[in-house]
Amino acid sequence: AQSVTQPDIHITVSEGASLELRCNYSYGATPYLFWYVQSPGQGLQLLLKYFSGDTLVQGIKGFEAEFKRSQSSFNLRKPSVHWSDAAEYFCAVVFYGQNFVFGPGTRLSVLP
Amino acid sequence: GAGVSQTPSNKVTEKGKYVELRCDPISGHTALYWYRQSLGQGPEFLIYFQGTGAADDSGLPNDRFFAVRPEGSVSTLKIQRTERGDSAVYLCASRYDSSNTGELFFGEGSRLTVL
Repeated sequence: AQSVTQPDIHITVSEGASLELRCNYSYGATPYLFWYVQSPGQGLQLLLKYFSGDTLVQGIKGFEAEFKRSQSSFNLRKPSVHWSDAAEYFCAVVFYGQNFVFGPGTRLSVLP
Repeated sequence: GAGVSQTPSNKVTEKGKYVELRCDPISGHTALYWYRQSLGQGPEFLIYFQGTGAADDSGLPNDRFFAVRPEGSVSTLKIQRTERGDSAVYLCASRYDSSNTGELFFGEGSRLTVL
């Protein structure tokens, strides 16, 4: 069955440090891939998306993600984290049809 | 409208009561999705509409849950005989069309608490 996993439930990093959030999917073909962020009390906001072409995609707020077909992964990265990046991050995948399947999320805490 | 609007933002009800949650999508968006998010979890798919019809309702947990979108714009999620386990944030999202390249735009959710 198709699934999306985010192995890290909670990550804590210091402000200014680099960040990588992991996302893996299980599917027989290349799906369409998204990263969303949810700040406390707010709706989900799109950070970036991948459909085809260049496997390194740039998003808003200085985030980027790299699609690796061989690893069925779409990891999110940021070179220098800001305190305002503390939030919940969700990887989402569109398999067949148009149903978005979300991972369980990774909560990011940022230390001053 | 400028964004996806959901009402009410908070709803407290008693077990066994009937609840309606409303979603007003971004103008011109033909696809509309409902998700449910429990504390500490990712959004769980419930149903999506393309126009007026439900294109996929495989996520509705049981027949107490029903959703409509009669004119292809506003949608209402209806929950009958609510149970404590229905307590969650119900998220609505819209999309310009159903092609795979379009992203979802989310509302801020309706928090349902069943006492």
